[in-house]
Amino acid sequence: SQTIHQWPATLVQPVGSPLSLECTVEGTSNPNLYWYRQAAGRGLQLLFYSVGIGQISSEVPQNLSASRPQDRQFILSSKKLLLSDSGFYLCAWSGQLYGYTFGSGTRLTVV
Amino acid sequence: GESVGLHLPTLSVQEGDNSIINCAYSNSASDYFIWYKQESGKGPQFIIDIRSNMDKRQGQRVTVLLNKTVKHLSLQIAATQPGDSAVYFCAGSSGYALNFGKGTSLLVTP
Repeated sequence: SQTIHQWPATLVQPVGSPLSLECTVEGTSNPNLYWYRQAAGRGLQLLFYSVGIGQISSEVPQNLSASRPQDRQFILSSKKLLLSDSGFYLCAWSGQLYGYTFGSGTRLTVV
Repeated sequence: GESVGLHLPTLSVQEGDNSIINCAYSNSASDYFIWYKQESGKGPQFIIDIRSNMDKRQGQRVTVLLNKTVKHLSLQIAATQPGDSAVYFCAGSSGYALNFGKGTSLLVTP
């Protein structure tokens, strides 16, 4: 069966520090991968998606970047965090036969 | 682009009653829709999906209705239970990524 792993679950980082959130998928190959952000009490905003290794599409220009070094690994990064980067970050995957499945999320607080 | 929104931000229902959560979308090219349930501090959990070639789809205690004419879909939950209390999101897609509405908070009272 397919599973998606996302870590860490919570993270508190100072302003100006770097960020690296990792997401991995098991049990499938060549998945479409996504990073979403959810501000408190709001809906989910698509940040990046990837349809293959090294292929990244950015939906919203911002202080973040994404990379896909391996088929089932998706990384969200920042060189210098801003206060406005705080939020709940969700990784998701989709395939041809399955709907979208989300990870458990990372709650990032920038202080 | 896609714009998906919900009519009501909160919905309070009594345990045992049926719940109906509505959603409108703007992109007529959207061909796939999903309803998610999100509990506090957790990722969205898939409930049910529907493709644009269908008007209705049923799951366990849930039914999704799609009206393409008015670009509206709804989620019906039968015999609502306390465990159904959560935020419910609709999402639509015409390509790779889903576009989400802001969510409706469902509160089930005893």
